[in-house]
Amino acid sequence: DTEVTQTPKHLVMGMTNKKSLKCEQHMGHRAMYWYKQKAKKPPELMFVYSYEKLSINESVPSRFSPECPNSSLLNLHLHALQPEDSALYLCASSLPGRPEFKYFGPGTRLTVL
Amino acid sequence: AQKVTQAQTEISVVEKEDVTLDCVYETRDTTYYLFWYKQPPSGELVFLIRRNSFDEQNEISGRYSWNFQKSTSSFNFTITASQVVDSAVYFCALSEAYLQGAQKLVFGQGTRLTINP
Repeated sequence: DTEVTQTPKHLVMGMTNKKSLKCEQHMGHRAMYWYKQKAKKPPELMFVYSYEKLSINESVPSRFSPECPNSSLLNLHLHALQPEDSALYLCASSLPGRPEFKYFGPGTRLTVL
Repeated sequence: AQKVTQAQTEISVVEKEDVTLDCVYETRDTTYYLFWYKQPPSGELVFLIRRNSFDEQNEISGRYSWNFQKSTSSFNFTITASQVVDSAVYFCALSEAYLQGAQKLVFGQGTRLTINP
């Protein structure tokens, strides 16, 4: 099973809402990532978890809160977002130390009203 | 810092033409990986190829081929006999060195390819 799944596919939320994005993989990958992609731009790394510990935070605002409850699951909790946070959020996973094997999920398209 | 440059922002060709997408990269690492991804309008990043820095062999896969040249730091991608379904945004990417067991992909700005019938 070489698949990364993400839910929901689409999400519309208001600036006062709290929501969460979910990412799951069952490939035994111990590195998991969140990328953000604005329209007509390349993906940009937000967070990296390695062995369930946050190893990289690319100076992301605190209104984005990642969580890795176990080796298969990665969440991104959203709170008090701004309209400029509207984007495609991509999850990815890889084997630590094996960058040649990195898999992306289909993404969650987020719209903040 | 590592950098990937895709100088072609948009390319438009007629179906059945050959088209080459350029990618130039910068890195100080001796070990690195290069990737090409396709992103159709649906948004999913579709993996096309990866190449490590020690393997300069060119590769052909059906209508796709890749030309990796370390001497010019280029990793170009050619589609032969293009089809409308090839229309998408194509990203070239470079992996940075390992960071606590994980790695970061640095993407180029992407090339929007439109194949017209």
